[in-house]
Amino acid sequence: NAGVTQTPKFQVLKTGQSMTLQCAQDMNHEYMSWYRQDPGMGLRLIHYSVGAGITDQGEVPNGYNVSRSTTEDFPLRLLSAAPSQTSVYFCASSFRGQASTEAFFGQGTRLTVV
Amino acid sequence: GESVGLHLPTLSVQEGDNSIINCAYSNSASDYFIWYKQESGKGPQFIIDIRSNMDKRQGQRVTVLLNKTVKHLSLQIAATQPGDSAVYFCAENSNGGRRALTFGSGTRLQVQP
Repeated sequence: NAGVTQTPKFQVLKTGQSMTLQCAQDMNHEYMSWYRQDPGMGLRLIHYSVGAGITDQGEVPNGYNVSRSTTEDFPLRLLSAAPSQTSVYFCASSFRGQASTEAFFGQGTRLTVV
Repeated sequence: GESVGLHLPTLSVQEGDNSIINCAYSNSASDYFIWYKQESGKGPQFIIDIRSNMDKRQGQRVTVLLNKTVKHLSLQIAATQPGDSAVYFCAENSNGGRRALTFGSGTRLQVQP
């Protein structure tokens, strides 16, 4: 009963480096999304996906790319890391059904860009 | 732009008392609201939700109230326990089937023994 799994849990990058944050869910959820959380603030939406092959931008998409080749996986790519991308990143998933749109969150990836 | 916000950044209560956490939202098109609890170092955890066609919903020790007239949402926690200490976020969904949420900035609840 894994739910939403994010890897890695911690990462330090140098400015200009690229990397991929992994997110996988085993609940067969159609919807997946990525958020970032800066200190003392709420979560802000980066990108989201309503199903395999479909992605769209959220509130703060610049500097990030996503793809959704399978229902289970939704990786987030940082193209050229910047100190402003230092944050905690959360992946979430949810059903499409009408009964509930409760989103399940992963444990987060704490990213530091130096 | 449209946003969801909170009135109080920190709320301190005595163990056993009731807690009320407030949230103001500005998007009148929002049709679904959720309260999340986030403990230190963890991801947000679903507490309770409410649709815009309701004004009250109860769960175990928690009640959410929605006042659409003044665009206000509140979370009531009965008999607050030390384990309730966390940051609480309200979130809204104003995009129908998008399932992508807009979060408020959070309220820290501190339960004093």
